Amino acid sequence: DTGVSQNPRHKITKRGQNVTFRCDPISEHNRLYWYRQTLGQGPEFLTYFQNEAQLEKSRLLSDRFSAERPKGSFSTLEIQRTEQGDSAMYLCASRWLAGLTGELFFGEGSRLTVL
Amino acid sequence: SQQGEEDPQALSIQEGENATMNCSYKTSINNLQWYRQNSGRGLVHLILIRSNEREKHSGRLRVTLDTSKKSSSLLITASRAADTASYFCATDPQGAQKLVFGQGTRLTINP
Repeated sequence: DTGVSQNPRHKITKRGQNVTFRCDPISEHNRLYWYRQTLGQGPEFLTYFQNEAQLEKSRLLSDRFSAERPKGSFSTLEIQRTEQGDSAMYLCASRWLAGLTGELFFGEGSRLTVL
Repeated sequence: SQQGEEDPQALSIQEGENATMNCSYKTSINNLQWYRQNSGRGLVHLILIRSNEREKHSGRLRVTLDTSKKSSSLLITASRAADTASYFCATDPQGAQKLVFGQGTRLTINP
């Protein structure tokens, strides 16, 4: 068990560029979540998958954001035409739905800076 | 949207003292969880308390839950410098399939 892995850890991009983040969850976990966290705030829910199905998307997830989880394994979060307001830490977490606890296992996050 | 409100937003104490953080929430929940986050890192789960529990202990952590007041507290006893971090409460609302986090308490332990 290597934990939840996120790549890249840091991304600096210019406004208008596209960026993609990858999350590899704990292998036996069937639920995968994306959260966004800005400085000094708590994580805000963006979307979640159960296996390969995207079951809920927050209103925070504008049309410029898209997330996928092909084959129910790793997930990608793509942001198109980035804006300065997209600068944040993007956190991925996973859990086993039928587990004894409802805890989330988080990755170390991908920090995005849009210049 | 964030359901939880945490109090205080920042707390600074001396090593060895106890630290208490409070969390209030708005809707009915299945459970409430506390997480810790070191600067620039991901969140780490500390403890979970179910809606039918009133108190739970784990090492130096003590969590209470009052569902009638929709509030919880996290007590860290005999604090250490390594406890310096941000602490977040997260609720698992009934009918929702996600955790909703508060804004956190920044705890600083002074050696």
